[in-house]
Amino acid sequence: KAGVTQTPRYLIKTRGQQVTLSCSPISGHRSVSWYQQTPGQGLQFLFEYFSETQRNKGNFPGRFSGRQFSNSRSEMNVSTLELGDSALYLCASSLRGPLSGTEAFFGQGTRLTVV
Amino acid sequence: AQKVTQAQTEISVVEKEDVTLDCVYETRDTTYYLFWYKQPPSGELVFLIRRNSFDEQNEISGRYSWNFQKSTSSFNFTITASQVVDSAVYFCALTDHSWGKLQFGAGTQVVVTP
Repeated sequence: KAGVTQTPRYLIKTRGQQVTLSCSPISGHRSVSWYQQTPGQGLQFLFEYFSETQRNKGNFPGRFSGRQFSNSRSEMNVSTLELGDSALYLCASSLRGPLSGTEAFFGQGTRLTVV
Repeated sequence: AQKVTQAQTEISVVEKEDVTLDCVYETRDTTYYLFWYKQPPSGELVFLIRRNSFDEQNEISGRYSWNFQKSTSSFNFTITASQVVDSAVYFCALTDHSWGKLQFGAGTQVVVTP
């Protein structure tokens, strides 16, 4: 069974640009969550999607957005990039999502560097 | 408020030593779930275990064991006879019905030297 796939693995962008990251969950999983990991703030929740609906959102500015498609694949977008957006972005998929307590399986992440 | 505390930033051991990672949590919910994840240098978070708040049985899986104590709000993790491959950052996490997300602790870096 294939795991969670995130693309691209590495990305370098310039301040002010926008970026789109992609996540393909494990087959059959309908919940996709996104997390940002930085040395200073640790792992922080961005948002969660279930059956194409955003069910929960973390405390991030509106520049961070996401969506989920009918095949459960998800994308997250960051507009007007800032240096502080440099981070490892992790996607997690689970059968029913955090509210149900089912375990989440993570991808290898996308390492975003903003210069 | 929901909170997970991993007070140990880094633990260094020599191979074959045991190592225990502490995790203390806070939640107002009576139904919640606790997790441990391992993050090797490759970056992927690897799921190790899930526990729900109604199951206080300790668990052993190979060299790994977990001690869940609701009375002290702790969910500690022990690696027995550590190996170099155990070197990684280990995260404790909590989710509950009101939060809808995984709340992670700061992580504990485990360094196992030969």
